[in-house]
Amino acid sequence: EPEVTQTPSHQVTQMGQEVILRCVPISNHLYFYWYRQILGQKVEFLVSFYNNEISEKSEIFDDQFSVERPDGSNFTLKIRSTKLEDSAMYFCASSEGRLAENQETQYFGPGTRLLVL
Amino acid sequence: KNEVEQSPQNLTAQEGEFITINCSYSVGISALHWLQQHPGGGIVSLFMLSSGKKKHGRLIATINIQEKHSSLHITASHPRDSAVYICAVTSGSRLTFGEGTQLTVNP
Repeated sequence: EPEVTQTPSHQVTQMGQEVILRCVPISNHLYFYWYRQILGQKVEFLVSFYNNEISEKSEIFDDQFSVERPDGSNFTLKIRSTKLEDSAMYFCASSEGRLAENQETQYFGPGTRLLVL
Repeated sequence: KNEVEQSPQNLTAQEGEFITINCSYSVGISALHWLQQHPGGGIVSLFMLSSGKKKHGRLIATINIQEKHSSLHITASHPRDSAVYICAVTSGSRLTFGEGTQLTVNP
């Protein structure tokens, strides 16, 4: 069964360093998402992406964050200068169609656990 | 106030019991999702519904759009059902999540 994959599974970085989290969505999916979950808290939306553009972003997704689809398969989240509070589990997800219009199901990756020291 | 509220926060049951988890939301939505998060962190989509009721195996999800309320039921619960169950709503191109319900089913 097709699945969303994410690398790395764990990442430890120093405050101020740049990190890139990678995701490979399901191959025929067109909509891509990043979420984060701080330990012990609920999952929060970061950004949605379609047709090489950001569709929607949350208040969390400030100038320190960026997303990119550098080729036909990868979808990346970059944090330019990490802060302690960026420590969280980051989930990538994808869907075949747009959530609101087609009531699509999202498929989640296993997550990348980011620890900023 | 959270846009998506779940109850209870924690639930402990004995194997075989019928379980209900509730979700209320305060925003306009196009769909509601029930998700399962395992101890390792992985998230699996269980149901997506916009009206009525859906059933998959021992799981049943219902939604009342007028009352902005949904329930997830588990019949004949089993220890392997132990997980966090999360209600999330679709609004625009984002999901907004509830806090989750930690379910523990004891043998």
